[in-house]
Amino acid sequence: AQSVTQLDSHVSVSEGTPVLLRCNYSSSYSPSLFWYVQHPNKGLQLLLKYTSAATLVKGINGFEAEFKKSETSFHLTKPSAHMSDAAEYFCVVSVNRYSSASKIIFGSGTRLSIRP
Amino acid sequence: DADVTQTPRNRITKTGKRIMLECSQTKGHDRMYWYRQDPGLGLRLIYYSFDVKDINKGEISDGYSVSRQAQAKFSLSLESAIPNQTALYFCATSDLGGEGSETQYFGPGTRLLVL
Repeated sequence: AQSVTQLDSHVSVSEGTPVLLRCNYSSSYSPSLFWYVQHPNKGLQLLLKYTSAATLVKGINGFEAEFKKSETSFHLTKPSAHMSDAAEYFCVVSVNRYSSASKIIFGSGTRLSIRP
Repeated sequence: DADVTQTPRNRITKTGKRIMLECSQTKGHDRMYWYRQDPGLGLRLIYYSFDVKDINKGEISDGYSVSRQAQAKFSLSLESAIPNQTALYFCATSDLGGEGSETQYFGPGTRLLVL
């Protein structure tokens, strides 16, 4: 069975400080992992994805995430927060099966607030 | 132009009414999905389709139906809307990457209010 847990429903940081959004997953198979961002009144935009290649994945807007199999984690980080990073972030786990539907599970989301 | 479009973007309807939400894509993907988003619950899968002849229920399909009119079009219907179907609805498409991974691309969403 697959599951994904975003450990914080809300994270608040000051502009210019590091961002850490935590995600743990559970999967019976080798998963693909994704982070999506949703700005207010917008759709979901893909930030980055892990698909069994390099464990450190770089995404758009300076974000990156590291896949740690031993910790079953895929935390999202950014060295320096910007006001425009304020949004909802979703961690997603996907188990791929060519002959049938991939099992795609969304986390419940983490709202990131940036203090001036 | 956006790759995945949804119409309408906002809709207010009354209990018992039938409504349809439409999704179109220009990405050429075979796989299409409908999700609903509720605060604190993330996205939950309603229906998905692998091609025009392949439609499958997701985890919360009760009260909904879908139609895949063409590769590019996937519509979601609420036969008799009820207030707890008030939510933000997203359409998504996906492809299978070279590594076998499936990446989803989302439309802008339709905000539905059922009175």
